[in-house]
Amino acid sequence: NAGVMQNPRHLVRRRGQEARLRCSPMKGHSHVYWYRQLPEEGLKFMVYLQKENIIDESGMPKERFSAEFPKEGPSILRIQQVVRGDSAAYFCASSPLSRADEQFFGPGTRLTVL
Amino acid sequence: KQEVTQIPAALSVPEGENLVLNCSFTDSAIYNLQWFRQDPGKGLTSLLLIQSSQREQTSGRLNASLDKSSGRSTLYIAASQPGDSATYLCAVQGGGADGLTFGKGTHLIIQP
Repeated sequence: NAGVMQNPRHLVRRRGQEARLRCSPMKGHSHVYWYRQLPEEGLKFMVYLQKENIIDESGMPKERFSAEFPKEGPSILRIQQVVRGDSAAYFCASSPLSRADEQFFGPGTRLTVL
Repeated sequence: KQEVTQIPAALSVPEGENLVLNCSFTDSAIYNLQWFRQDPGKGLTSLLLIQSSQREQTSGRLNASLDKSSGRSTLYIAASQPGDSATYLCAVQGGGADGLTFGKGTHLIIQP
Protein backbone atom coordinates (compact mmCIF):
# COMPACT_ATOMS: atom_id res chain seq x y z
CA ASN A 1 0.00 0.00 0.00
CA ALA A 2 1.75 3.11 -1.21
CA GLY A 3 1.96 5.99 1.20
CA VAL A 4 0.86 9.56 0.61
CA MET A 5 2.48 10.88 -2.53
CA GLN A 6 3.27 14.48 -3.31
CA ASN A 7 4.67 16.00 -6.45
CA PRO A 8 6.69 17.74 -7.38
CA ARG A 9 9.12 17.35 -4.52
CA HIS A 10 10.79 20.62 -5.39
CA LEU A 11 9.25 23.52 -7.28
CA VAL A 12 10.86 26.78 -8.30
CA ARG A 13 8.72 29.69 -9.44
CA ARG A 14 9.34 33.34 -10.18
CA ARG A 15 7.29 36.02 -8.50
CA GLY A 16 3.89 36.34 -10.13
CA GLN A 17 3.74 32.78 -11.49
CA GLU A 18 1.35 30.08 -10.37
CA ALA A 19 2.31 27.06 -8.29
CA ARG A 20 0.35 23.82 -8.35
CA LEU A 21 1.09 21.21 -5.72
CA ARG A 22 -0.40 17.75 -5.97
CA CYS A 23 -1.20 15.20 -3.31
CA SER A 24 -2.39 11.63 -3.77
CA PRO A 25 -3.72 10.22 -0.48
CA MET A 26 -3.20 6.68 0.66
CA LYS A 27 -5.48 4.15 -0.96
CA GLY A 28 -8.86 4.14 0.75
CA HIS A 29 -8.35 7.52 2.42
CA SER A 30 -10.97 10.13 1.68
CA HIS A 31 -9.72 12.94 3.94
CA VAL A 32 -6.86 15.23 2.97
CA TYR A 33 -5.11 17.96 4.94
CA TRP A 34 -2.57 20.54 3.80
CA TYR A 35 0.05 22.09 6.07
CA ARG A 36 2.69 24.74 5.51
CA GLN A 37 6.07 24.98 7.19
CA LEU A 38 7.68 28.37 6.75
CA PRO A 39 11.47 28.62 7.29
CA GLU A 40 12.32 28.47 10.98
CA GLU A 41 8.65 28.14 11.93
CA GLY A 42 6.37 25.32 12.97
CA LEU A 43 3.92 23.44 10.81
CA LYS A 44 0.58 25.20 10.39
CA PHE A 45 -2.70 23.70 9.25
CA MET A 46 -4.08 25.23 6.08
CA VAL A 47 -7.09 23.31 4.82
CA TYR A 48 -9.06 20.10 5.32
CA LEU A 49 -10.89 18.48 2.42
CA GLN A 50 -13.02 15.47 1.73
CA LYS A 51 -13.81 14.31 -1.76
CA GLU A 52 -15.29 17.28 -3.64
CA ASN A 53 -15.75 19.31 -0.45
CA ILE A 54 -13.74 21.84 1.51
CA ILE A 55 -14.51 21.18 5.16
CA ASP A 56 -12.26 23.71 6.87
CA GLU A 57 -10.07 26.32 5.20
CA SER A 58 -9.54 28.46 8.28
CA GLY A 59 -5.75 28.24 8.02
CA MET A 60 -5.49 29.22 4.40
CA PRO A 61 -4.64 32.78 3.34
CA LYS A 62 -7.76 34.46 1.98
CA GLU A 63 -6.18 35.54 -1.28
CA ARG A 64 -4.22 33.69 -3.96
CA PHE A 65 -4.55 30.27 -2.29
CA SER A 66 -7.11 27.63 -3.21
CA ALA A 67 -7.45 23.90 -2.74
CA GLU A 68 -9.53 21.16 -4.26
CA PHE A 69 -9.99 17.42 -3.95
CA PRO A 70 -11.95 16.24 -6.99
CA LYS A 71 -13.89 13.04 -7.26
CA GLU A 72 -11.15 11.61 -9.44
CA GLY A 73 -7.47 12.44 -9.15
CA PRO A 74 -5.22 14.03 -6.59
CA SER A 75 -5.83 16.95 -4.30
CA ILE A 76 -4.40 20.21 -5.64
CA LEU A 77 -3.12 23.19 -3.68
CA ARG A 78 -2.92 26.16 -5.99
CA ILE A 79 -1.06 29.37 -5.28
CA GLN A 80 -1.61 32.18 -7.73
CA GLN A 81 0.80 35.09 -8.28
CA VAL A 82 3.37 33.69 -5.89
CA VAL A 83 5.47 36.01 -3.75
CA ARG A 84 8.76 35.34 -1.96
CA GLY A 85 6.91 34.87 1.32
CA ASP A 86 5.22 31.77 -0.13
CA SER A 87 8.57 29.94 -0.11
CA ALA A 88 8.03 27.06 2.28
CA ALA A 89 7.59 23.32 2.58
CA TYR A 90 4.02 22.21 1.93
CA PHE A 91 2.96 18.91 3.42
CA CYS A 92 -0.11 16.87 2.66
CA ALA A 93 -1.61 14.27 4.98
CA SER A 94 -4.49 11.86 4.62
CA SER A 95 -6.73 9.90 6.96
CA PRO A 96 -9.18 7.10 6.25
CA LEU A 97 -12.57 7.90 7.71
CA SER A 98 -12.68 11.01 9.86
CA ARG A 99 -10.74 13.88 11.37
CA ALA A 100 -10.30 11.76 14.50
CA ASP A 101 -8.18 9.20 12.65
CA GLU A 102 -4.40 9.17 12.50
CA GLN A 103 -3.01 11.31 9.71
CA PHE A 104 -0.30 9.98 7.43
CA PHE A 105 2.07 12.48 5.87
CA GLY A 106 3.60 12.79 2.45
CA PRO A 107 7.24 13.79 1.85
CA GLY A 108 6.34 17.40 1.14
CA THR A 109 6.86 19.85 -1.71
CA ARG A 110 9.49 22.50 -1.23
CA LEU A 111 8.49 25.68 -3.01
CA THR A 112 11.09 28.31 -3.74
CA VAL A 113 10.00 31.65 -5.14
CA LEU A 114 12.73 33.64 -6.85
CA LYS B 1 -7.90 27.94 20.10
CA GLN B 2 -5.61 24.97 20.68
CA GLU B 3 -1.99 25.82 21.41
CA VAL B 4 0.90 23.39 21.77
CA THR B 5 4.13 24.23 23.57
CA GLN B 6 7.29 22.16 23.57
CA ILE B 7 10.05 22.46 26.12
CA PRO B 8 12.98 22.69 25.79
CA ALA B 9 13.35 24.35 22.40
CA ALA B 10 16.82 22.84 22.06
CA LEU B 11 18.77 20.18 23.89
CA SER B 12 22.31 18.87 23.53
CA VAL B 13 23.42 15.81 25.50
CA PRO B 14 26.21 13.23 25.33
CA GLU B 15 25.55 9.90 23.75
CA GLY B 16 24.07 7.25 26.03
CA GLU B 17 21.98 9.55 28.21
CA ASN B 18 18.28 9.09 28.80
CA LEU B 19 16.27 12.18 28.09
CA VAL B 20 12.75 13.60 28.28
CA LEU B 21 11.04 15.96 25.89
CA ASN B 22 7.95 17.80 27.06
CA CYS B 23 4.78 18.87 25.30
CA SER B 24 1.77 20.72 26.68
CA PHE B 25 -1.52 21.66 25.06
CA THR B 26 -4.26 24.04 26.13
CA ASP B 27 -7.46 22.22 25.13
CA SER B 28 -7.79 18.71 26.54
CA ALA B 29 -10.63 17.68 24.18
CA ILE B 30 -8.26 15.89 21.83
CA TYR B 31 -8.67 12.74 19.74
CA ASN B 32 -5.02 11.79 19.86
CA LEU B 33 -1.47 13.05 20.24
CA GLN B 34 1.39 12.21 17.94
CA TRP B 35 5.15 12.56 18.16
CA PHE B 36 7.13 13.06 14.95
CA ARG B 37 10.75 13.31 14.03
CA GLN B 38 11.97 15.69 11.34
CA ASP B 39 15.49 15.70 9.95
CA PRO B 40 16.79 18.92 8.34
CA GLY B 41 15.15 19.57 4.99
CA LYS B 42 13.16 16.36 5.22
CA GLY B 43 9.60 15.25 5.85
CA LEU B 44 7.93 13.97 8.97
CA THR B 45 8.51 10.53 10.42
CA SER B 46 5.77 9.40 12.77
CA LEU B 47 7.21 7.96 15.97
CA LEU B 48 4.28 7.28 18.27
CA LEU B 49 0.55 7.90 18.30
CA ILE B 50 -1.38 7.93 21.57
CA GLN B 51 -5.16 7.82 21.41
CA SER B 52 -7.01 9.99 23.92
CA SER B 53 -8.08 6.89 25.86
CA GLN B 54 -4.50 5.67 26.25
CA ARG B 55 -1.86 6.65 28.79
CA GLU B 56 1.30 5.64 26.96
CA GLN B 57 2.84 4.00 23.92
CA THR B 58 6.23 2.38 23.46
CA SER B 59 8.36 1.68 20.43
CA GLY B 60 11.87 0.42 20.94
CA ARG B 61 13.84 3.00 22.92
CA LEU B 62 10.97 5.49 22.78
CA ASN B 63 8.15 5.83 25.28
CA ALA B 64 5.47 8.49 25.10
CA SER B 65 2.99 9.25 27.87
CA LEU B 66 -0.21 11.26 27.81
CA ASP B 67 -2.01 12.98 30.66
CA LYS B 68 -5.00 14.41 28.86
CA SER B 69 -6.61 16.07 31.86
CA SER B 70 -3.52 18.13 32.60
CA GLY B 71 -2.73 18.72 28.93
CA ARG B 72 0.72 17.15 28.95
CA SER B 73 2.76 14.55 27.13
CA THR B 74 6.35 13.44 27.47
CA LEU B 75 8.60 11.62 25.05
CA TYR B 76 11.26 9.54 26.78
CA ILE B 77 14.29 8.46 24.76
CA ALA B 78 16.46 5.82 26.37
CA ALA B 79 20.17 5.33 25.72
CA SER B 80 20.38 8.16 23.19
CA GLN B 81 22.49 7.75 20.04
CA PRO B 82 23.93 10.29 17.58
CA GLY B 83 21.39 9.06 15.04
CA ASP B 84 18.63 10.38 17.30
CA SER B 85 19.72 13.93 16.47
CA ALA B 86 16.75 15.65 14.83
CA THR B 87 13.85 17.97 15.60
CA TYR B 88 11.05 16.30 17.53
CA LEU B 89 7.55 17.59 17.00
CA CYS B 90 4.48 17.07 19.14
CA ALA B 91 1.05 17.43 17.52
CA VAL B 92 -2.49 17.08 18.83
CA GLN B 93 -5.63 16.31 16.88
CA GLY B 94 -8.91 17.79 18.05
CA GLY B 95 -9.41 20.44 20.69
CA GLY B 96 -11.51 22.56 18.38
CA ALA B 97 -9.31 22.20 15.31
CA ASP B 98 -9.80 20.04 12.24
CA GLY B 99 -6.14 19.69 11.46
CA LEU B 100 -3.23 18.79 13.68
CA THR B 101 -1.88 21.55 15.90
CA PHE B 102 1.89 21.34 16.11
CA GLY B 103 4.37 22.59 18.64
CA LYS B 104 7.48 24.38 17.42
CA GLY B 105 9.62 21.36 18.22
CA THR B 106 12.63 20.42 20.28
CA HIS B 107 15.91 20.50 18.37
CA LEU B 108 17.93 17.60 19.78
CA ILE B 109 21.65 17.04 19.34
CA ILE B 110 23.30 13.89 20.65
CA GLN B 111 27.05 14.34 20.95
CA PRO B 112 29.16 11.29 20.04
